[in-house]
Amino acid sequence: DIVMTQSPLSLPVTPGEPASMSCRSNQSLLHSNGYTFLDWYRQKPGQSPQVLIYLGSNRASGVPDRFSGSGSGTDFTLKISRVEAEDVGVYYCMQALQTPITFGQGTRLDIK
Amino acid sequence: EVQLVESGGGLVQPGGSLRLSCAASGFALSRFDLHWVRQATGKGLEWVSAIGIVGDTYYSGSVKGRFTISRDEAKNSLYLQMNSLRAEDTAVYYCTRDSQGKDVWGKGTTVIVSA
Repeated sequence: DIVMTQSPLSLPVTPGEPASMSCRSNQSLLHSNGYTFLDWYRQKPGQSPQVLIYLGSNRASGVPDRFSGSGSGTDFTLKISRVEAEDVGVYYCMQALQTPITFGQGTRLDIK
Repeated sequence: EVQLVESGGGLVQPGGSLRLSCAASGFALSRFDLHWVRQATGKGLEWVSAIGIVGDTYYSGSVKGRFTISRDEAKNSLYLQMNSLRAEDTAVYYCTRDSQGKDVWGKGTTVIVSA
């Protein structure tokens, strides 16, 4: 199984400030078709997960351009250019290169 | 409106069975790969099972041989038959579809396995 490791596990951020979180996999998520099968999801308190970024760097429909995904191979980053209060929640990276699909343990973003 | 609605959760004794349903509206389930993902209280997300457009099925190691995923195109619904349930299967179960990422999620249905 592919192991996904996120850091930090807790991320307190002041509104208006940027935020960055990391996700690493123990094997490359680059498929032979050229796509990188890494997604980012946010789960707000009491809600279902919501996709933010798919295939490494593609912003999902309706996601503000404050969110960006980058990285390749085994190292990935989700950045929020200016954190807003509504961004609180747990952020998960997920690999879909192979089954079993696996998630990172999550980064909890809180507002200072 | 595109949405998924799960049902069928409940309290069941260890060793028992449950069948979860996921009804789709606003789109045809048959056009997408579909997944079940679960989340124990206070824990992270755990992928459980998937069914592809052509009916290929996949399972996590922890449920393989006990759970069966299926789809009914006429009812536009996804199912998860869960047998030989264990305490560690206690969780909220979400269904979700693959499009640009897993872009549609239901609100989940709660399964509690306890004597």
